[in-house]
Amino acid sequence: GAVVSQHPSWVICKSGTSVKIECRSLDFQATTMFWYRQFPKQSLMLMATSNEGSKATYEQGVEKDKFLINHASLTLSTLTVTSAHPEDSSFYICSRLGQSSYNEQFFGPGTRLTVL
Amino acid sequence: GESVGLHLPTLSVQEGDNSIINCAYSNSASDYFIWYKQESGKGPQFIIDIRSNMDKRQGQRVTVLLNKTVKHLSLQIAATQPGDSAVYFCAENGAKGAAGNKLTFGGGTRVLVKP
Repeated sequence: GAVVSQHPSWVICKSGTSVKIECRSLDFQATTMFWYRQFPKQSLMLMATSNEGSKATYEQGVEKDKFLINHASLTLSTLTVTSAHPEDSSFYICSRLGQSSYNEQFFGPGTRLTVL
Repeated sequence: GESVGLHLPTLSVQEGDNSIINCAYSNSASDYFIWYKQESGKGPQFIIDIRSNMDKRQGQRVTVLLNKTVKHLSLQIAATQPGDSAVYFCAENGAKGAAGNKLTFGGGTRVLVKP
């Protein structure tokens, strides 16, 4: 069964508004979770690493003030897209690490964001 | 920079035949590789992984082969079924991200299974 859930599965918002996406680890506590963005017919691009109890670490080129990440508990990380614009429309996917030391990741079902 | 790439963007295969999806990687520091399957509108699903100290690993109907000499990874699906239609991504863990080693994904191969 699913080990990571996301909510909502899809969202449509107006330009300039903010949208929050939740990512939950269902089967065990996850101190580290990841956020990816995927544009149509493209691969996954890592945006940031979400760390429980500390600040997220962002990949180069990702604006931390635009994509706010909060990992408030061991089972929940949230991504808030602030002042969304049409170019932020994408498929946002989170993941958590597996239990080995090799960085295998298990992904959520994704959230489709459409900004009008 | 180093990257993971794929030779075939689309693969059409007859139901019941075997499928082979290829992936070339260039990061010699990678010691772990994963194949994911992604159906339309869904998140990637873990299929099988392999560590660099192995050259072959088998799962249920799937086999991953790793050739470190030529930095090549492949996924073989036996007796391909309609439910195997999806985009398949390879991923490697050699690149350094903002928080340590990160997964780098290849461009993806779409597999279309014809009845």
